[in-house]
Amino acid sequence: AQSVTQLDSHVSVSEGTPVLLRCNYSSSYSPSLFWYVQHPNKGLQLLLKYTSAATLVKGINGFEAEFKKSETSFHLTKPSAHMSDAAEYFCVVRGTYKYIFGTGTRLKVLA
Amino acid sequence: DGGITQSPKYLFRKEGQNVTLSCEQNLNHDAMYWYRQDPGQGLRLIYYSQIVNDFQKGDIAEGYSVSREKKESFPLTVTSAQKNPTAFYLCASSPLDSRTETQYFGPGTRLLVL
Repeated sequence: AQSVTQLDSHVSVSEGTPVLLRCNYSSSYSPSLFWYVQHPNKGLQLLLKYTSAATLVKGINGFEAEFKKSETSFHLTKPSAHMSDAAEYFCVVRGTYKYIFGTGTRLKVLA
Repeated sequence: DGGITQSPKYLFRKEGQNVTLSCEQNLNHDAMYWYRQDPGQGLRLIYYSQIVNDFQKGDIAEGYSVSREKKESFPLTVTSAQKNPTAFYLCASSPLDSRTETQYFGPGTRLLVL
């Protein structure tokens, strides 16, 4: 069975500093992995996805994630945080017919 | 523009009342999903449908019902049996086939109990 664990429920960074949001996954086969962002009272927007091609995946708004099979991780990074990045972020693994969501990481960006 | 629409944005339910949340997509996706979101719990799957006139229970289906009479529509009814319905409800759709396909989400409906 597939599962994901987001290791931090809250992360705070200063504007202009790097962002790291951590996600570990469990899957019995080569996984499809996604990162979504949700701003308050909005739907979810896809940031990026890994589908067994390149292990370093580039997404929108300067975000990227690296798939590390040996560590079963898919951490999300951004070199320099912007105030508009403040939101909740979800790591997702696709199962056979369903998508399994992590519990989310709330990112706070300090001026 | 292609996308998913949900209505209403806010919905108020009285005790003992059934209410229906609308979800429409024009992406020509086969699969549609309903999720419930509570603070600190991520998204939990209520129901999903892979084809017209067929749907499957998710992890928290009790107190909810759905129908899939048309490919583009997947309404969710919150029945009076759902004792704690206050939450943010998200509808999503995706192509059916490959495991690699992306889900697309609607803007959500917030349900509140009077």
